[in-house]
Amino acid sequence: GAGVSQSPSNKVTEKGKDVELRCDPISGHTALYWYRQSLGQGLEFLIYFQGNSAPDKSGLPSDRFSAERTGGSVSTLTIQRTQQEDSAVYLCASSLQGSGNEQFFGPGTRLTVL
Amino acid sequence: GQNIDQPTEMTATEGAIVQINCTYQTSGFNGLFWYQQHAGEAPTFLSYNVLDGLEEKGRFSSFLSRSKGYSYLLLKELQMKDSASYLCAVRDPYNQAGTALIFGKGTTLSVSS
Repeated sequence: GAGVSQSPSNKVTEKGKDVELRCDPISGHTALYWYRQSLGQGLEFLIYFQGNSAPDKSGLPSDRFSAERTGGSVSTLTIQRTQQEDSAVYLCASSLQGSGNEQFFGPGTRLTVL
Repeated sequence: GQNIDQPTEMTATEGAIVQINCTYQTSGFNGLFWYQQHAGEAPTFLSYNVLDGLEEKGRFSSFLSRSKGYSYLLLKELQMKDSASYLCAVRDPYNQAGTALIFGKGTTLSVSS
């Protein structure tokens, strides 16, 4: 039963490598969000998917970041040519619809770029 | 710009009452959320305010004043398990997705016996 799940829980990579982070939202939730939580900082919005609409990518920090959501369910966040400043916890959240509803968060993926 | 302020740290003792304040300046407003986050875990929903006033839910209450851009989370009868980070977040309909949340940096609450 499940809540939002994310994998991997931890990822250590070398600078310049590409990484993929996965999010499985709660079944039936049409809205999916990616946030980033850096040490000492608040959660930072990255990207938002709502149903079959085009995603809102306005929070992505650079063109090295991209995300897709297949079949309206699972989402993958890809970071290309990782940099040390990309080190953070990447959190995924889902909600029943885009507005007015509580967002349920996954446990996050802790990314460390060496 | 968008700004959400809350104290960085607070301490309290078991059984006490603590109030965590949050002030916000955003281009729009469509609701304020409080989340609890234990170290290494996902944030979990505590409360949602969209109208002025106090919302009570068990030991936790949340207050909102839209004219002042101010909210507080009130925790009563504190327990050790309440030691966590408390995140204030605002939904700004004019920002980015319009439904994404703008978060403060969180208030780390330490409860001692």
